[in-house]
Amino acid sequence: NAGVTQTPKFRILKIGQSMTLQCTQDMNHNYMYWYRQDPGMGLKLIYYSVGAGITDKGEVPNGYNVSRSTTEDFPLRLELAAPSQTSVYFCASSYVVGGATEAFFGQGTRLTVV
Amino acid sequence: RKEVEQDPGPFNVPEGATVAFNCTYSNSASQSFFWYRQDCRKEPKLLMSVYSSGNEDGRFTAQLNRASQYISLLIRDSKLSDSATYLCVVNDGNQGGKLIFGQGTELSVKP
Repeated sequence: NAGVTQTPKFRILKIGQSMTLQCTQDMNHNYMYWYRQDPGMGLKLIYYSVGAGITDKGEVPNGYNVSRSTTEDFPLRLELAAPSQTSVYFCASSYVVGGATEAFFGQGTRLTVV
Repeated sequence: RKEVEQDPGPFNVPEGATVAFNCTYSNSASQSFFWYRQDCRKEPKLLMSVYSSGNEDGRFTAQLNRASQYISLLIRDSKLSDSATYLCVVNDGNQGGKLIFGQGTELSVKP
């Protein structure tokens, strides 16, 4: 019962460094999402994907890149990390036919940029 | 106007109280509505979907008013374990699977 798996769980980056947050789901969901959540705030959509090979920007895409080469994987790339990217990152997936259905979340990646 | 807006909270209530959360959404084409629960520093989890006719799950009742673009969640007989942040979630009417989250309403149930 893996569901959505995110790695790493915690990471400290220095300003200007790059990293990739990994996300894998084993439920054959078509939609996948990346959200960030700043302390005391709601979730903001960074990027999402409606299927392999198709991605689209969300509310806060600047400073991030994604790819979706397979149904299972949806990595998030941070280039030139900045302190403003300190946040908790959640990956999620859902199966969508017509309207949306329940989204399942990974446990999150807590990222600090110093 | 925010796409999904919730009561700002926090709500501090005694055990056994009834508490109601409100949420409004801006896109009249939205079709799917949910309430999620998020415990401190954990991932959000689905509490319940919200159907046009309203639905109930034990102590929890969700209502949808499409004309007013308004969703509500009622919790009866609050328990200490209900303490969490409650997130209103709506799909983007133009991109059916894209989910938009409200900022959340924090609930603290006290003994």
